Amino acid sequence: DQQVKQNSPSLSVQEGRISILNCDYTNSMFDYFLWYKKYPAEGPTFLISISSIKDKNEDGRFTVFLNKSAKHLSLHIVPSQPGDSAVYFCAAIDYNNNDMRFGAGTRLTVKP
Amino acid sequence: DAGVTQSPTHLIKTRGQQVTLRCSPKSGHDTVSWYQQALGQGPQFIFQYYEEEERQRGNFPDRFSGHQFPNYSSELNVNALLLGDSALYLCASSLRPGRGYQETQYFGPGTRLLVL
Repeated sequence: DQQVKQNSPSLSVQEGRISILNCDYTNSMFDYFLWYKKYPAEGPTFLISISSIKDKNEDGRFTVFLNKSAKHLSLHIVPSQPGDSAVYFCAAIDYNNNDMRFGAGTRLTVKP
Repeated sequence: DAGVTQSPTHLIKTRGQQVTLRCSPKSGHDTVSWYQQALGQGPQFIFQYYEEEERQRGNFPDRFSGHQFPNYSSELNVNALLLGDSALYLCASSLRPGRGYQETQYFGPGTRLLVL
């Protein structure tokens, strides 16, 4: 029952270019979405979030876009830096039912 | 501030055994959540403890139980281990449960459990 899917297990980009990580969901009850970043041997850390009433949220180099009709969200990192190399998880929350689901993650590698 | 700490880091058990994993929350945090991350998958919410009580629970069987102590630290217990319980178990702490805690929770590095 994969309600949140990250279809690209890995992504490699050149330093300075844009990284675009994608996430799809199936449950229309999700009303809040988050992105976490995870380095090896560390726990995930919160990166950025977006409410379902918005279609864009920006925080420095990180921007999350939400397309509710397509049930799709994406994380844009511009410009990408080698320190951004990590596994990125998207997560979706249905607050009415106290349900939170994670995607399987995308491993981003930023090459110098 | 040591952040969220978990012990042990790695553990090997055999089917049918019982295991206890431990978590110390970040200083100042009073809420602890546990997640299971199987290989190649994202974390799955197991349950959350606040004021020494289980406040929320995900879709996990009763073999998974927990406890929170007065100092806010927590234990995750798994009985009658199955091969499918092999996973990374993550603990996360936050200040109070409720809407929005997911943005402020700090995760520990996890305990990797292997069931043979």
